[in-house]
Amino acid sequence: SQTIHQWPATLVQPVGSPLSLECTVEGTSNPNLYWYRQAAGRGLQLLFYSVGIGQISSEVPQNLSASRPQDRQFILSSKKLLLSDSGFYLCAAIAGGRYNEQFFGPGTRLTVL
Amino acid sequence: GDSVTQMEGPVTLSEEAFLTINCTYTATGYPSLFWYVQYPGEGLQLLLKATKADDKGSNKGFEATYRKETTSFHLEKGSVQVSDSAVYFCALSPPYNFNKFYFGSGTKLNVKP
Repeated sequence: SQTIHQWPATLVQPVGSPLSLECTVEGTSNPNLYWYRQAAGRGLQLLFYSVGIGQISSEVPQNLSASRPQDRQFILSSKKLLLSDSGFYLCAAIAGGRYNEQFFGPGTRLTVL
Repeated sequence: GDSVTQMEGPVTLSEEAFLTINCTYTATGYPSLFWYVQYPGEGLQLLLKATKADDKGSNKGFEATYRKETTSFHLEKGSVQVSDSAVYFCALSPPYNFNKFYFGSGTKLNVKP
């Protein structure tokens, strides 16, 4: 079965500091990968998705970026965090060949102070 | 553009009560429709899905029917349990891009014993 690992689980960072969140997938190859942000009490906002190594589609203009250096690794980064970047960040994947079955990681809770 | 609208919560029910969470969508063509569940502090889990009109998705006693004529995908359960307390998200994936998912804002369900 497929599993997504995210770390760290929680993170508190000052405004203006850099960010790196990591997501790795087990149990499938060539997955589609996604980063979502969930603000407090709100739904999910798709930030980035990737259909292959080095291929990144950005859905929302912002100060975040994403990279996919390996098939099952997806990284969310920022050079300078804003207060508005606080939220719950979820990594998701669609297993190769199984479209429409998106599964999620446990999430990273980011607080920017 | 494509979007999902869910009834606002929280919804509070007594154990064994009947549950309905309304979801309507706006989309071109025939999207795939989903319900996800999120337990406190966790990522999302796929609960059920339907990929064409009149399909009924079901899982763990929950059901939802894809109604093209009313553009709806309401979630129902005949008898809720305390363990069903969670946030429920309706989502769609458009037919023109299976890589994209649009989520509703989520409905929190509280079930009291």
